[in-house]
Formats: sequence, structure tokens, C-alpha cells
Amino acid sequence: SQQGEEDPQALSIQEGENATMNCSYKTSINNLQWYRQNSGRGLVHLILIRSNEREKHSGRLRVTLDTSKKSSSLLITASRAADTASYFCATDRSNQGAQKLVFGQGTRLTINP
Amino acid sequence: SQTIHQWPATLVQPVGSPLSLECTVEGTSNPNLYWYRQAAGRGLQLLFYSVGIGQISSEVPQNLSASRPQDRQFILSSKKLLLSDSGFYLCAWRGYRVREQYFGPGTRLTVT
Repeated sequence: SQQGEEDPQALSIQEGENATMNCSYKTSINNLQWYRQNSGRGLVHLILIRSNEREKHSGRLRVTLDTSKKSSSLLITASRAADTASYFCATDRSNQGAQKLVFGQGTRLTINP
Repeated sequence: SQTIHQWPATLVQPVGSPLSLECTVEGTSNPNLYWYRQAAGRGLQLLFYSVGIGQISSEVPQNLSASRPQDRQFILSSKKLLLSDSGFYLCAWRGYRVREQYFGPGTRLTVT
């Protein structure tokens, strides 16, 4: 079953605004990852945050993780038209051996010029 | 650098026909390999994963099978396709001690 659940399912904002997407999960994790998918393409890894981290930055991306609430958020600052895509969180419970990511249903982000 | 290939990019097959989708990875050795299926507007469902040649783990019972005949080759197959097999199939790989996965461009399968 899908563990990660993103909200909102769809988000439409103006270029230059910030976009925030949330992800909730149900069980303990080793790390949580965010991926982007442009329409009809494969997924691209954006950022990984470990269970002992609370916040991580990468360029215009900011990810937070609250393990007590089992939730994460992805913030994209100063959005651009090229940020239009679907964004997925994926939880990783494995410590060693085979890794199995569990993906959420995704947030479809539209940046309006 | 590492690259991952999938083919074909699109496929239209009649119900009851066989299927073979191929995935190959370049520039790495002994990767973990994964097959996912994505329904329209949905998240990814893990179908199979492999930690080595000939080692296949299935996540959900279904009409599909997977094989890994070579270290960097992963094949998804079916003997007889069902309408419900339609979807977007993604292959991914992960390197040793790396936690993120790298995805191929995907195959759009339509079963008619």
C-alpha cells in the first residue's frame, strides 16, 4: 500500500511565488526523498532527508521532516515556469540490503507565467 | 557517468499478446534494479526488484514476470497481456551505498 500521501493533489500558483507541498506517512523511516516528474517522463531525484535531520536545503528547495508527526514538506521558492511538474515523496524504511521506496500519489504543480 | 535506457518508448499491444520490456544501465556495476508501474495521474507501484543476476523479488502478484540475465539488464515480461496491464512502466537503478534511485525515461504500454 502507498505510505506517502501528498497534499494538495494539485497546486496552481503564479511565477515568482513560493510553492509548498506536504507529505504524510505512517511508519518509521530511514529517510524520505522527493522526486520530480515532468509529464510523460521518468522521475528525477531532488533531495533526500534522513530521519535524524529536520531541515535540508538545495538551491531553491527546502525540505523539512517532522518524525513525531510523520510528515515532510517541500518548499520551492521563487517558482519558475520550468518547475511545472508532479512532485512525489518516497519513504525508505530499509537500513541495509534491498531498498524499497514507497511513493505517494504526488502533487501536480502548475506555475502560471 | 551512468545512464539508464528503456525501450520501447511506447507500445500498443492486443489483449492476450506477449510482452517484453527491456532496461539497461551503463556506467555502473552490480546495481539494484527496479520495475515500477504508474497508472495515469497516480504514484508509482513497485513491481519487482533485483539485487543481483538471477535474483528477482516480486512485490505484488500479477500477470507479469521479471528477469535479470545480465548484471545491467532487467527485463519485464508477460505471456498474455490483460487490459489492466496498461500503464507507464519505469525502470530504476540504485548504486551501492546510495539511497536515491535513478529512473529511465519509461515505456507507455497500451493494451487494447
